[in-house]
Amino acid sequence: DVKVTQSSRYLVKRTGEKVFLECVQDMDHENMFWYRQDPGLGLRLIYFSYDVKMKEKGDIPEGYSVSREKKERFSLILESASTNQTSMYLCASGGGRGYTFGSGTRLTVV
Amino acid sequence: TQLLEQSPQFLSIQEGENLTVYCNSSSVFSSLQWYRQEPGEGPVLLVTVVTGGEVKKLKRLTFQFGDARKDSSLHITAAQPGDTGLYLCAGARGGGSNYKLTFGKGTLLTVNP
Repeated sequence: DVKVTQSSRYLVKRTGEKVFLECVQDMDHENMFWYRQDPGLGLRLIYFSYDVKMKEKGDIPEGYSVSREKKERFSLILESASTNQTSMYLCASGGGRGYTFGSGTRLTVV
Repeated sequence: TQLLEQSPQFLSIQEGENLTVYCNSSSVFSSLQWYRQEPGEGPVLLVTVVTGGEVKKLKRLTFQFGDARKDSSLHITAAQPGDTGLYLCAGARGGGSNYKLTFGKGTLLTVNP
């Protein structure tokens, strides 16, 4: 069964901490994506990667960075967590015919 | 600018009823997908439609892609409580960025027993 695995389901971090969210896919997809999902705002694209070491900004990249050193792994980094980054974070891989999503990480910044 | 408008935003119905949700755009898409998301989980791909006028059926769910490939609908027959969830449509614009999807904000469906 093909999978996208996110390292944590729930995280609580303090303001100012550096936060790493990890995502691994086993489908050999070239494209990987990070979204955040907030009530009333829908899914918003933070960053995406179309190849190893390649990345592009999505719609809301401010306060985030990403790393893709291996094809199967795409990491989202919050350089200095803030309370307005409390959200559900979703990783996905795939292409124009559809994405496979991970189960999400519910991040709370206090 | 919201490229994909979903309606209604919220829908609460009784078990056994039929329903239709819509996904509309002024833009043409090379393909369109529907996802269902349950609380606390990631969206799960239900179907992909690629041809204008295409109709796909998945048990009690019927998906249709508009002739002009600008809109889509999802019809559920005899809804069950297990159909409860957030239904998202997403479209691919084609060309060089075909892998990058545009998502609607979703229709939150509640089916009451």
